Amino acid sequence: GAVVSQHPSWVICKSGTSVKIECRSLDFQATTMFWYRQFPKQSLMLMATSNEGSKATYEQGVEKDKFLINHASLTLSTLTVTSAHPEDSSFYICSAANSGSTDTQYFGPGTRLTVL
Amino acid sequence: EDQVTQSPEALRLQEGESSSLNCSYTVSGLRGLFWYRQDPGKGPEFLFTLYSAGEEKEKERLKATLTKKESFLHITAPKPEDSATYLCAVFSGSARQLTFGSGTQLTVLP
Repeated sequence: GAVVSQHPSWVICKSGTSVKIECRSLDFQATTMFWYRQFPKQSLMLMATSNEGSKATYEQGVEKDKFLINHASLTLSTLTVTSAHPEDSSFYICSAANSGSTDTQYFGPGTRLTVL
Repeated sequence: EDQVTQSPEALRLQEGESSSLNCSYTVSGLRGLFWYRQDPGKGPEFLFTLYSAGEEKEKERLKATLTKKESFLHITAPKPEDSATYLCAVFSGSARQLTFGSGTQLTVLP
């Protein structure tokens, strides 16, 4: 149980294009989903928290107009990187929590984004 | 501000050589401490959640313990497949988000 999937697992795009990453909870309903990015040899950095049906809460320093998050259902959240640039290249990981703010977060397998 | 410090940064063990990883934390109102395993190029895999001092949890060769200031992940008779980065994270009532440590990269040699 508690499986989270991400799609795509990797993507290469040209600078200036937009990329959408999907995060799905496969066997449970996720009231809250989280988006992280991870640079090589570093730990996870929270980008934003999204609750189903409401606007995402972004961490300080994360551009909300650049990283668009939609949590349209209890099993799906999407992250769209708009007008991507090489500095946006990173490993993006989502997580989902069953219910309540203290429940365990289950992570997806991650999406490797490379912007040329 | 919540802080999590993991040590050592890297650990090399021979197969069968037991050891412990440390996670020291400073939080305001701990609501949960989590251990995850992360393999290269993959997302973290959930291992344990600990909620209160004195709590212990076990899974195969792994055992996690919690005190008021730190948590230990004990690895008994490790195998090469236990090689990974082990991440510790805390969830506090004040931050309302997971705060991760920088991880311990474990290598188990055959």
